[in-house]
Formats: sequence, C-alpha cells, structure tokens
Amino acid sequence: GAVVSQHPSWVICKSGTSVKIECRSLDFQATTMFWYRQFPKQSLMLMATSNEGSKATYEQGVEKDKFLINHASLTLSTLTVTSAHPEDSSFYICSASHRAQGGSPLHFGNGTRLTVT
Amino acid sequence: AQTVTQSQPEMSVQEAETVTLSCTYDTSESDYYLFWYKQPPSRQMILVIRQEAYKQQNATENRFSVNFQKAAKSFSLKISDSQLGDAAMYFCAYRRDFGNEKLTFGTGTRLTIIP
Repeated sequence: GAVVSQHPSWVICKSGTSVKIECRSLDFQATTMFWYRQFPKQSLMLMATSNEGSKATYEQGVEKDKFLINHASLTLSTLTVTSAHPEDSSFYICSASHRAQGGSPLHFGNGTRLTVT
Repeated sequence: AQTVTQSQPEMSVQEAETVTLSCTYDTSESDYYLFWYKQPPSRQMILVIRQEAYKQQNATENRFSVNFQKAAKSFSLKISDSQLGDAAMYFCAYRRDFGNEKLTFGTGTRLTIIP
C-alpha cells in the first residue's frame, strides 16, 4: 500500500517552454503533498508544500510564479515549471503521507529528471 | 528551525561486516519522528527505519537498527551483515509531530560495499 506515482520519469524540453509533472497517490488520499528538488550528489531540498484545495506554501527562495503547483484533488498534485531554463534542470521528487500524523512516513514518487536544453 | 547533520559524506564497509552511519539533529520540539531513507542509483527513496522520539527503545528492522540518543540529539544507523544491495545514499530525516509536516533531510552519506 501507500503508492505514489510520478509522471513523467524523465523529460527533455527546450528553453522557454513549460513542463508539467504529475504526482498521484494511487491507493490513499493525500491532503498534503510535498515537492522536493535534488541536484546531483546533493540532498533533497523542499520546494513547496501542496495542499488540496488551497494555495501551495513555497519555501524561501523558490519562485512561485516559476514553479506552479496545483493540488486539485485528494490524489493529484502537479508541478509546472514555466519558461524553463537550463538551470532548472534537476531531479524533482514528490511525496505524500496517507495520514496527517508526524509519524507516518512520507512515500515518494520515483522522481522526474528534467533536462532543459 | 530544525536542522539535520550527517558528518560522513562517504563510508565503505566490507561485505558481511557492520557499519554505522551518523546523524545529529537540532530541534526545540519534544515530539518528533526520525527516519532513515535509502536512495539507490535508481533514485527511488526507500524508507529503512523509523523512530518515535517518545520511545526510549531503539527501532530495529531486520539487519538495520538505530541508536537513538534523545538528549544528545543523535540518531545513528547500524547496518549488520552488509550486503551488496545496501550500497546507496542514506539520508537521515526529521519530521515534527504536528499534522502533516514536511521531512527535513540531512546531506546524506554514500555507502559503498566492498565485495
């Protein structure tokens, strides 16, 4: 149980275009999902917290107009990288917990490798 | 703000031997949870073990165990009988016990298993 599906697993796009990444909780409802970014050989850095039916909460330094997050249902959150630039190339991972309890571990999607050319 | 520190960027161990990965954290909270996640080359994040701060007993999952020292804010991971499949990045993570909170990760330790 507690499966999180992320799509696509990899994407290549040209500078200036937008890319949408989907994160779905397959067998549970997730009122909150988290979006992380990971550079090569580095740790996961939280970008934003996605709340169903409300605006996302962005971490300091993350441009909310560039990284658009939508959490329209209890099982789907999307991250759209708008006007992508090569420096946006990275590994993006979403996660969710099936219970609103601190002890519940976060379950992660398989990640999306974004390359902007 | 909570911080998680892993002071060992890289570790190596002979197959079948035991290795301990270190983690310290800083928090003013009394109720929280600690986790170890494994990230193999596939980059999938895999939960290894979880510890509740209110429990004195150290968590154990098969060959994986922790040494949780709450007063010292230390949370080390011991891997016994190391196997080739244990090779991965290991991240220590903290989560406050308050609703649906984020995970705060350490910088990670790359573990190499020597055949």
